[in-house]
Amino acid sequence: SAVISQKPSRDICQRGTSLTIQCQVDSQVTMMFWYRQQPGQSLTLIATANQGSEATYESGFVIDKFPISRPNLTFSTLTVSNMSPEDSSIYLCSGGTRQETQYFGPGTRLLVL
Amino acid sequence: AQSVTQLGSHVSVSEGALVLLRCNYSSSVPPYLFWYVQYPNQGLQLLLKYTTGATLVKGINGFEAEFKKSETSFHLTKPSAHMSDAAEYFCAVSEGDMRFGAGTRLTVKP
Repeated sequence: SAVISQKPSRDICQRGTSLTIQCQVDSQVTMMFWYRQQPGQSLTLIATANQGSEATYESGFVIDKFPISRPNLTFSTLTVSNMSPEDSSIYLCSGGTRQETQYFGPGTRLLVL
Repeated sequence: AQSVTQLGSHVSVSEGALVLLRCNYSSSVPPYLFWYVQYPNQGLQLLLKYTTGATLVKGINGFEAEFKKSETSFHLTKPSAHMSDAAEYFCAVSEGDMRFGAGTRLTVKP
């Protein structure tokens, strides 16, 4: 298994600003993923963070809005850019393999005013 | 593409009663199936998973699930509910990308 930590755990931001969320895994994992969970809803995959190359984004998500970095096998960041109230959500990082078990961080609760 | 349907967005049981959370999946290949639990203000925790082999899978906290290919189901059960089981439960299927169901909120009444 893997233990995943995220920072910050929560934040309140003003519209038009950007927030960078950090995700740290305690062991090397093949893949890291970023999800969004809007209030009362299920998880939606934003992108797969690829080490040393550009992230792979799902339909409806773009790099300009959600730039992602993964400089090594245990660390990734997600930036939510030019935020609006619609970006208020929980952002979850996971690590594992694409097909098998993914281990999740505790999430970052974002409120945009 | 694979998909998951969780029947019942809310399930309420009395403490000590059977817990049954329903999950049906759609997949074009033999799927990997998962149940995750999310407690308030926390991330997702893996309860159990099915990949291959025995179709009855036992997980943590007394939960188990049975993979039934003929019914394309992977229902989660627990013989006796505890108050601490109150949480959101997500079924997920993976045949490459992991897809989550909408979730079922379990309430346990004293």
